[in-house]
Parts: sequence; structure tokens; C-alpha cells
Amino acid sequence: QKEVEQNSGPLSVPEGAIASLNCTYSDRVSQSFFWYRQYSGKSPELIMSIYSNGDKEDGRFTAQLNKASQYVSLLIRDSQPSDSATYLCAVNPGYSSASKIIFGSGTRLSIRP
Amino acid sequence: SQTIHQWPATLVQPVGSPLSLECTVEGTSNPNLYWYRQAAGRGLQLLFYSVGIGQISSEVPQNLSASRPQDRQFILSSKKLLLSDSGFYLCAWSGRSGSSYNEQFFGPGTRLTVL
Repeated sequence: QKEVEQNSGPLSVPEGAIASLNCTYSDRVSQSFFWYRQYSGKSPELIMSIYSNGDKEDGRFTAQLNKASQYVSLLIRDSQPSDSATYLCAVNPGYSSASKIIFGSGTRLSIRP
Repeated sequence: SQTIHQWPATLVQPVGSPLSLECTVEGTSNPNLYWYRQAAGRGLQLLFYSVGIGQISSEVPQNLSASRPQDRQFILSSKKLLLSDSGFYLCAWSGRSGSSYNEQFFGPGTRLTVL
């Protein structure tokens, strides 16, 4: 079983709608969860970190964490064409040292006009 | 603010040639440093990480090596490149303390093509 799983997509969402990206993880003791955005040919950029159960909002982005279900999601409201990118879910599995984090393979998001 | 640099940005090398990629971080002290590789259309593979000068941990066996000669400098090397070494090489750093201590921040990357 992969440690961090994401649907590879592509996920196509109309402009202005809500994009919902999902991620599950296998290690129950995981403590830290991250969402990165990666444009084609560019390096990943950290857009959200979440450490506690519940929702965390930052502008148009909301991260949701449910540790009991081992599930983390990212909602993007009022989707824009500039949101078209691959979104990587990442998890600090708890057992690691040196702040190692495990990345999912990413979900490709396409915002259609 | 912190900044992370990588060079070169792109590199085309023949099979069997040596490799040296450099990463430096500014604006922070004693960071954890990481090297990742991303093959085309694939996820991130952690290659090496370092918690301090001269301290290197390898995640996967391969013909690559890493060194950390200074606190904010991380180098990825190979004596003889293989075709399978082609990919997008990313350096990242994370802090050691604070509520967001294990967030990782990436450099711009080096795109390596081995022919």
C-alpha cells in the first residue's frame, strides 16, 4: 500500500467553481500535512500546511484534515485558469527523523474557461 | 527571508560523464537539506538528506552521492552518469524548530538529460 495516495486526474473544473482534491495516507501517527502546487516544468511550491483536525483557510484555499479517517483534502474556491497545475499532497509520517516527508504522486488539475 | 539557489538550471551530459549539482540556502542557519529527483510525469523521490555539516543519509542505493561541506551548501555528485539518471533534481530545506519546523521549501531545480 502506498503511504500517500492521490487520484492522478486529470481533474477538470469549470472556471469559478470549487475544485476538490483528495489525499489518503497510511500511517496513523502522521502529524503534519502539506499541499504543494507544481506548475509544469517548475519546482513545487508550498501552499498549505495543516497540523490539527478540521479546516484551515487561506484566501481561496481550504485544507481539511480528518486524522480518524486518514484523509486530507484541499478545496480551491472560485477556481481560476492560473490554478491549473499538479497538486502534491505530502505527509510527515511521524516515525521519520530530519523532517522527512512523503509525497503523493500528485493530482493534475485543469481549470476550463 | 530565506532563499534557495540551485545551479545549473539545465544540463545535458553524456553517459559515463561526472556530475556535480550545487544547492545553497540563504537567510537561515542549520537547516535540514534534501535532494529529490522527479522523473518525467512521476512523483518526488527522496535521494539524500542532511541534518548537519558532513552528515548525509541516503534513501536509495544508486550511483549518486551527496556532500554537505558547509552549513548551507549541499552538493549532489556522480562519478559516471547513467541514462536512468535523467530527471528533474530538486533541492529543499526545512527549519529545525517552531510550529512549522518540518515544512520543506524547494529550489528552482536542475533539469538533467543524460544522452
